[in-house]
Amino acid sequence: DAKTTQPNSMESNEEEPVHLPCNHSTISGTDYIHWYRQLPSQGPEYVIHGLTSNVNNRMASLAIAEDRKSSTLILHRATLRDAAVYYCILLMITTSGTYKYIFGTGTRLKVLA
Amino acid sequence: DGGITQSPKYLFRKEGQNVTLSCEQNLNHDAMYWYRQDPGQGLRLIYYSQIVNDFQKGDIAEGYSVSREKKESFPLTVTSAQKNPTAFYLCASTGRLQPQHFGDGTRLSIL
Repeated sequence: DAKTTQPNSMESNEEEPVHLPCNHSTISGTDYIHWYRQLPSQGPEYVIHGLTSNVNNRMASLAIAEDRKSSTLILHRATLRDAAVYYCILLMITTSGTYKYIFGTGTRLKVLA
Repeated sequence: DGGITQSPKYLFRKEGQNVTLSCEQNLNHDAMYWYRQDPGQGLRLIYYSQIVNDFQKGDIAEGYSVSREKKESFPLTVTSAQKNPTAFYLCASTGRLQPQHFGDGTRLSIL
């Protein structure tokens, strides 16, 4: 299975943009790129996903490299509530039609007031 | 509101005992998943199910069992064969090409 690689931790100042990188050099053509975030003792929360094109939603933007071997989650103005562990995940759709999510180890984002 | 309900929130197991973790969803999702999370680590896939009466092993299925008799329910049994069961267990569900929805988790500890 393809895998993702993320930095263990990052820091950002409040109200500044944050760029969270993810490498997925073994991604296949049909794998989707998902990002989730997790607060302590809670289940992960969906942030954004994409396949080939850059994506924007109310929470964040996702920039996908042209060769799809890396992506970057962009939080435009970090707030204290954005402090969490951010997971870059590949969604594999197997030949039998099953959906399998491959989680990386995540990046712990610390936001400084 | 639609969502995923996991119960109990905290569970304690004695040595040699099987325990079952409940996961129920009312999102009408076909696919359901069980993950294990150890402190400071990411999620690892235990079992997943795409349709009723069918499920597949994930990366760490040994010592666990599941059933999928109803679309809404996907219980996970942690058997006595799982030698290190202390962890945070997360259940998730998804519809076709939709994001996964997660429950709030069950924290299992050994007495």
